[in-house]
Parts: sequence; structure tokens; C-alpha cells
Amino acid sequence: TQLLEQSPQFLSIQEGENLTVYCNSSSVFSSLQWYRQEPGEGPVLLVTVVTGGEVKKLKRLTFQFGDARKDSSLHITAAQPGDTGLYLCAGGHYKLSFGAGTTVTVRA
Amino acid sequence: SAVISQKPSRDICQRGTSLTIQCQVDSQVTMMFWYRQQPGQSLTLIATANQGSEATYESGFVIDKFPISRPNLTFSTLTVSNMSPEDSSIYLCSVGQGSSYEQYFGPGTRLTVT
Repeated sequence: TQLLEQSPQFLSIQEGENLTVYCNSSSVFSSLQWYRQEPGEGPVLLVTVVTGGEVKKLKRLTFQFGDARKDSSLHITAAQPGDTGLYLCAGGHYKLSFGAGTTVTVRA
Repeated sequence: SAVISQKPSRDICQRGTSLTIQCQVDSQVTMMFWYRQQPGQSLTLIATANQGSEATYESGFVIDKFPISRPNLTFSTLTVSNMSPEDSSIYLCSVGQGSSYEQYFGPGTRLTVT
């Protein structure tokens, strides 16, 4: 089983601030995905990265895949209360291994 | 992306009983998976539901406890058998298509065992 470590576990910030969530592993992944999960719902796919060094942007969210395909980061610029949720990284092809998740709270 | 529904959305069951969870997709998909999310924890893959054949289980999960059916390309069921309080979790199905890395999740079934 390939293990993914996420940090920090919890993050509470004020609206308008920036934040970064990290996802690290000692294993190489063919792809890495980021999900956001809100209470009572299933995870919603935000992005998939497959190429080492790849950077993808989704509005105020920027995702980066490490050159060695062992790590990834999610950066949110000017966070809004709607960004509140559990952020999960997951690696692999077909059989996903999930990180423990980062609970992000954005205060108005 | 596919629209995925699960039934029931939640249930409270007594220990020793069994519950069957349904997962329905609005289009044919190649891959279907079942995950468990224990309270305050991340997701763990239970098994891959294979159409027309036995499911492929991950380490720590067995067919007698979690029998899975997948009669066609749009439907699967997961049964949680002989339940104990430790089975209290959210159970999620997900789907994938062909060689795509992307998986999409259903809304989950929240199970509480008393």
C-alpha cells in the first residue's frame, strides 16, 4: 500500500488569506488527485495531475505535482467561506490510496 | 461526469443484522469501487466490484463480511454482514472509466450500528 501524508491536519484562516496544503509520499505515483468533501456528502474531484512538475489552476486553486511525482500541493488564494471543507489527496490508478485529509475552515 | 446515487442515504441497524447498500450510475462505467470512511478518518478501499465475476478485495476485507454484487455496468451492491458497532462508517461507491485516472463518488451511506 502506498502511503500519502497530508499536512497540516487542520487549518483555520480568515477570509481573504492564502493557504497551502501538502501531500507527500516516499512512493512514486502515476497520478494524484485532489478532492474536497463537505459534511454528509461524497468527495468531489477537483483535479488530477499526472505529469511531474505539472501545475494546474482552477480559479483560485493552484495544484502542483512534484517533479519526482512523490508529492503535491494545493494552494488557495484569497480563501472564501465556501472553500471550507475536508481536502483529500489520493494517489494511484484505479485503486486509490487516500491521505488522512486536511480540514480547512475559512472564517468570514 | 456520471451521476451516482446510493440507497439508503443513512440507516441505524442493530448488531448481528445485515444491510445491503445500492449504488446506481446514470451511465455505463468500466470500474466500480466500494470505500469505507470511519468517523473522522479518511477513505479506505474495500473492494473493486467486477461485472459478472467475484469482487476483488483489499487486505483486511473479506467476502463473507462484505459480499458485493455487480450484475451490470450501472449497478452494484455492498452488503455489510453480521454487523457490529465497529462497522459504523460512511460507505461510498465510486466509478471510473476505462484508462482514465479519475474517479467520481456517490453521496455515501451513513451506517450506525447499535
